[in-house]
Amino acid sequence: QKEVEQDPGPLSVPEGAIVSLNCTYSNSAFQYFMWYRQYSRKGPELLMYTYSSGNKEDGRFTAQVDKSSKYISLFIRDSQPSDSATYLCAMTYGGATNKLIFGTGTLLAVQP
Amino acid sequence: GAVVSQHPSWVICKSGTSVKIECRSLDFQATTMFWYRQFPKQSLMLMATSNEGSKATHEQGVEKDKFLINHASLTLSTLTVTSAHPEDSSFYICSAGSITGGGEQFFGPGTRLTVL
Repeated sequence: QKEVEQDPGPLSVPEGAIVSLNCTYSNSAFQYFMWYRQYSRKGPELLMYTYSSGNKEDGRFTAQVDKSSKYISLFIRDSQPSDSATYLCAMTYGGATNKLIFGTGTLLAVQP
Repeated sequence: GAVVSQHPSWVICKSGTSVKIECRSLDFQATTMFWYRQFPKQSLMLMATSNEGSKATHEQGVEKDKFLINHASLTLSTLTVTSAHPEDSSFYICSAGSITGGGEQFFGPGTRLTVL
């Protein structure tokens, strides 16, 4: 069993839809949770960063962490074609010296 | 803030030559940087953890003498692919986290290596 599970998609939605992306994990020691967006042939871009459980909102993006269920989500409201990319969840035990554990990434296509 | 740069952005070399890739944190200090490689349509694969002032830690299956890492300062890490072969052709990406931050890491734009 992988430490972090993520549906690879692809996920295709019409423009304006609400997108829900999810990851599950097995290690209860993870404390920091991140979502990255990666366009083709580019480095990942940090979208959302959450410490422990709870919700965080930034513009059209909302990240949720449920540590009791070992489940994290990223919601994208009013999706745009420019949101088409691969979305990677990542988590770590804590601190900048600890390596990230990634999900496989979900490929999202927002159709105009 | 939190910008990581890589140089070069792409490189083509002949088989048997060595290639050096630089990773810099431009506006923060990082005691630890990470090197990944990524094949098309696949997720990131961690190659090694680069520690400032000490030896790097390579992941299982990654040859430390082939993928040399030097972390010369709190803002610079280099990856040297020695005696490169066509199978080393890939997208190499580095990441770093601020020593004053939490667990988040910031990624460079990546370096595309093609070995002929």
